[in-house]
Amino acid sequence: DQQVKQNSPSLSVQEGRISILNCDYTNSMFDYFLWYKKYPAEGPTFLISISSIKDKNEDGRFTVFLNKSAKHLSLHIVPSQPGDSAVYFCAASGETSYDKVIFGPGTSLSVIP
Amino acid sequence: DTGVSQDPRHKITKRGQNVTFRCDPISEHNRLYWYRQTLGQGPEFLTYFQNEAQLEKSRLLSDRFSAERPKGSFSTLEIQRTEQGDSAMYLCASSLAHSNEQYFGPGTRLTVT
Repeated sequence: DQQVKQNSPSLSVQEGRISILNCDYTNSMFDYFLWYKKYPAEGPTFLISISSIKDKNEDGRFTVFLNKSAKHLSLHIVPSQPGDSAVYFCAASGETSYDKVIFGPGTSLSVIP
Repeated sequence: DTGVSQDPRHKITKRGQNVTFRCDPISEHNRLYWYRQTLGQGPEFLTYFQNEAQLEKSRLLSDRFSAERPKGSFSTLEIQRTEQGDSAMYLCASSLAHSNEQYFGPGTRLTVT
């Protein structure tokens, strides 16, 4: 029973264009959502997060959008750069549960120069 | 402080042997988490500590697995009588209490032959 889904295993984008990574979740108790980026041979690194009281959070080239009614979030990267090539994990946790973060299976992004 | 460190980075063992991994969190972080990641999947929660107290264990953590954090600093994860299905990347992460942002180490890759 996968509570956090990332239905696109991979995505290729031209440098300078927008990358859109999608994530769906099933547990309506999730109240906090995070994106992590992972390079080969390294652990995941935190990228950006959003609380359920917001529908958008922006940090430089990275913007996360949350649609609670659809249980859907997306990560936009504009403009995409070759250094953004990595695996991106969507993750979710409950507002009162700082202990457990549920990760999706990841989307491998390739930014082509 | 250079972040979360894990030792060893790679471990090859024969089925039936015991293995122990170590994690050193970021020094001011009082929460420490263990995850397991297999190919094509995101990190799966195993257990977490607040200081020296183990507060939650996943049902994935069979009785062959034990984790400790004796002085609230570093942690060890031991797997007894390893099985081939235990082959995975074992990730450690740490965070401040009441923060969803977890900082991951590079992982220990276990191969059971």
